[in-house]
Amino acid sequence: DVKVTQSSRYLVKRTGEKVFLECVQDMDHENMFWYRQDPGLGLRLIYFSYDVKMKEKGDIPEGYSVSREKKERFSLILESASTNQTSMYLCASSLLGSGSSYEQYFGPGTRLTVT
Amino acid sequence: QKEVEQNSGPLSVPEGAIASLNCTYSDRGSQSFFWYRQYSGKSPELIMSIYSNGDKEDGRFTAQLNKASQYVSLLIRDSQPSDSATYLCAVSKAAGNKLTFGGGTRVLVKP
Repeated sequence: DVKVTQSSRYLVKRTGEKVFLECVQDMDHENMFWYRQDPGLGLRLIYFSYDVKMKEKGDIPEGYSVSREKKERFSLILESASTNQTSMYLCASSLLGSGSSYEQYFGPGTRLTVT
Repeated sequence: QKEVEQNSGPLSVPEGAIASLNCTYSDRGSQSFFWYRQYSGKSPELIMSIYSNGDKEDGRFTAQLNKASQYVSLLIRDSQPSDSATYLCAVSKAAGNKLTFGGGTRVLVKP
């Protein structure tokens, strides 16, 4: 079974703090993704990575950065947390498809509250 | 027009009945289609993937794809209260690996 783990289930941070969310997958997947999910807005892609040290912006990258130093680990960084970044953050991973996409598997999520 | 559209529901279904969920997408270049189930407060869980026109069955779930009409559907047979959840449709283009998600359909199965 694919296993995607995230460093925290719940996190409370103060405005202006630097926040690190970590994700680890154990299936040797090339692709890793960070989403946020908000009521009424659905799942939105922040960043993704298809290889070590490679990253691409998703639909809402502003205010976020990412790091992928090892294949199994993908970190999301909030440089200066703001209250509008309060959300559920979901990490996912998948194999790298050529003609079609492979299934994405999600971690349990981190509910971040910024006060 | 949203790229992937779903009726938000709730879709109320009696226990034992068939739940029918629909999803339409706007990009004709889409090649890969997925259904996820998400319980309240939990992360999405993959139910089905479908890549070619027609039906694909897995247990009580059947996914149907019609690329000409740009829709994909999910049937849940013999619905159980444990099927009460939000079901997300996701679509991907051939050239990329990113998924675009619909807003989800909330399903309520009543005993």
